[in-house]
Order: sequence, then C-alpha cells, then structure tokens
Amino acid sequence: AQTVTQSQPEMSVQEAETVTLSCTYDTSESDYYLFWYKQPPSRQMILVIRQEAYKQQNATENRFSVNFQKAAKSFSLKISDSQLGDAAMYFCAYRSAGSNYQLIWGAGTKLIIKP
Amino acid sequence: ETGVTQTPRHLVMGMTNKKSLKCEQHLGHNAMYWYKQSAKKPLELMFVYNFKEQTENNSVPSRFSPECPNSSHLFLHLHTLQPEDSALYLCASSQDPVDEQYFGPGTRLTVT
Repeated sequence: AQTVTQSQPEMSVQEAETVTLSCTYDTSESDYYLFWYKQPPSRQMILVIRQEAYKQQNATENRFSVNFQKAAKSFSLKISDSQLGDAAMYFCAYRSAGSNYQLIWGAGTKLIIKP
Repeated sequence: ETGVTQTPRHLVMGMTNKKSLKCEQHLGHNAMYWYKQSAKKPLELMFVYNFKEQTENNSVPSRFSPECPNSSHLFLHLHTLQPEDSALYLCASSQDPVDEQYFGPGTRLTVT
C-alpha cells in the first residue's frame, strides 16, 4: 500500500525568505500524481501544485515550485519570497494513475511566517 | 454561492443524538467525497460518490450513513457517535474522480 510521509510537523520562516517542505512517499507504481494542498486557518483546503510522475520537469506555480525526485520518492515544496498569507497547514498527497483514484495524504506540516 | 459549502460549520452533539451534515457544490461536478480530518493525522477518506452512486466506503462504522440525492448534494447522517468521532469533517467535489478536488470549509464536530 502507498504511504505519504511529511517528517516536519512544523516549520517557520522569516517573511520574504525561502522555505522548503519535505514529503516522501512509498509506492511500487510507476505512474501516479503528487499534490501539495494548503489549508489556511479556518479556511478551505486548496490545491497549490500538482506533478505528474511521467513528467521530468518540476512543476511551478508562481512562488511555489517542487523538487520531484522520482528515484528517491521525494516531492518537496519550495516557497519563495514567503508572505504572511502563506501561513497554513500544507499537505502532500499521492494518487495512483490507475483505477484507484483515492488520494493518500500525509499528516501535514504547519508553516509559520515570522513578520 | 460558489464552490463547495457545508452546514453547519460547528456542531456539538451527545452520543445519543442524531444529526446530519450537509454539503452542496455549485461547480457542476459529478463526484463528491466525505473526509475525516483529525489533528496531526492524515485525512481519512470516508465515502466517495460518482454520479450519485457510492463507489468507495473505507470501512467506515455504520453510525455514519451517507446520502447523495443528486450530484450537487451530499449528506452525512450521524447517530450514536463516540467521543473519538470528534473531528473536522470535510466535503469535496471534483468533475470526475481523477480530477482536482475542491474542498468545503468543513464542519467541526464535537461529540460529548
């Protein structure tokens, strides 16, 4: 069975600095999708970025980028120029590309932005 | 309203009560989901509906009973809950089960 591990329960970063959140996963599949979701305090969970495993190029969305290392089964999220609005729980998730479309979630990393 | 809405936002109930959580999506999606979110634990998928048909039931106790009358509405009926059922219950929807999921704000449930 697939598993997703976020080893950092909490991270803090100075405003305008860069921070990297770690995620590792375990799977025997070769085709899958990886996601980072953001859940601000008392607000809705939203998708930050997604990566298809068959793509070698790392996904980028404005200040958010990933470092996808397929062989190492690592999928870290880099946030550049951190802003106060980035403070949230960040969840890493995995989904098989096959018939089982269930998302497998990590336990989350709480990101604190210091002004 | 837009997106995915959930009511109530907060609910306190005793172990002998019966209550229902409601979810509505205004996105024209065909798939809807119930998740349980407990502190410091990964999200747990409870139920999945696709075109009003239940396609997943992840060994959820029978004290949780889902209902999907149409593609826009999803209910979670609760009865004789336990204190360990206290959690944030999230609803989500997607165009189909392989697409990006859009989440509601959740219902914070406390069982006393």
